[in-house]
Order: sequence, then structure tokens, then C-alpha cells
Amino acid sequence: NAGVTQTPKFQVLKTGQSMTLQCAQDMNHEYMSWYRQDPGMGLRLIHYSVGAGITDQGEVPNGYNVSRSTTEDFPLRLLSAAPSQTSVYFCASSKYSGVRSYNEQFFGPGTRLTVL
Amino acid sequence: DAKTTQPPSMDCAEGRAANLPCNHSTISGNEYVYWYRQIHSQGPQYIIHGLKNNETNEMASLIITEDRKSSTLILPHATLRDTAVYYCIVKGAGSYQLTFGKGTKLSVIP
Repeated sequence: NAGVTQTPKFQVLKTGQSMTLQCAQDMNHEYMSWYRQDPGMGLRLIHYSVGAGITDQGEVPNGYNVSRSTTEDFPLRLLSAAPSQTSVYFCASSKYSGVRSYNEQFFGPGTRLTVL
Repeated sequence: DAKTTQPPSMDCAEGRAANLPCNHSTISGNEYVYWYRQIHSQGPQYIIHGLKNNETNEMASLIITEDRKSSTLILPHATLRDTAVYYCIVKGAGSYQLTFGKGTKLSVIP
């Protein structure tokens, strides 16, 4: 298994440009999520999904869109990039066994985004 | 989800046990304690979790006090590869969202 993969590894954008960060997992996990990590800080949840066709907002959703058309993929779209979105973005996935269960979350290697 | 407090940094000699404390005095009865670590800007890695009993796996042990207001993650024989930021997270069973604080930066020294 490749686990959780993210592309690209690095990206530089100009203010106002749009782009999509890709995330894929091959573990048949229902739950997927996106986090951002600013320098010296912990991770903050952007959006998450508990299955294909189902998405919801996390702590910091503004400026980002997501969709989940397949179990494997969960892309994150930046509509109009701003310097405040300069960060490292992590995708994570886990099995979803219902509200009384917990399964460890697997994280991807991250995408380092700089917005000029 | 309950807030956690961790020391910002700790040192540990290679081969010795690393004991990382976490305070979660506002934890409620149905909330679990989870530990993740992040090695040098890689994606976080799950270590262990528990509710009220002590837990052990191949990576670490988790000791939770009887009143559940604090816990300690123990790496029994720390190696240089254990140098990382360690996050203590308290989360209810009904949520899959992890709330990361700033964690503890553990430096394992040769």
C-alpha cells in the first residue's frame, strides 16, 4: 500500500491564483481530512469527509473548497490564493467505524505552499 | 474537546526512558487521550490512545492518573529517531477531528 499520497510536494503561487492540492489513499478509508500547519504551530482542521459525497467544514474553512466524488480522492481547492494561506498542508485518512469507535489517522507527507 | 497543556520542550539521553507529561484537567468521562508525534515536518504519526486504563503497545506506554486529569507518555528506551514534537490530544469518541496544540519538542541526546 502507498498509504496517503499528496501532490505536489512544493508549490509557489501568486496572490489571486487558484490551484488544487491532491490527496489520495489506497486503504479504502471512509474518513479523510485536510489540515494546515503554520510555522511553530499545531495542525488546524480545514475540511473533512466521512464518505463519498459527504463533506463538512473544520476550524478554518474560509478560502478552501473540497469535494469527495470517490473513496480514494479528496482534493483541496484554493479559490483565490492569499499570502495568509502560506502553510504546510496535510491530508489524513482513517477507517470510520461509527461514533463509538476510533481508528488511527494516517497522514500524508504534506504539501508546502507559498503564496507571494 | 478538553484542552491539554504540555511542556514546550524536553531533553532525554539516548537509551533512557522519555516521560512526556500532559495535563487535561477538564477532560470529561467519555473523552479519550491520544498521542501523536511529528518527526521533522513529516505528517503526524499515531502512537497510542487510552480512556482510563494504562495502555502499552510496541511504540510506547500511556499512564493515565486515576482522576484522569493528567497522563504520561513513556518511550522506554529513547533513540535519536524519537526526536520529534509529541502531541497530546483529548477527543470524544463521537468525533474524528483531532485538535492539535503546540506539543512538546523532545530532543534525544547522544
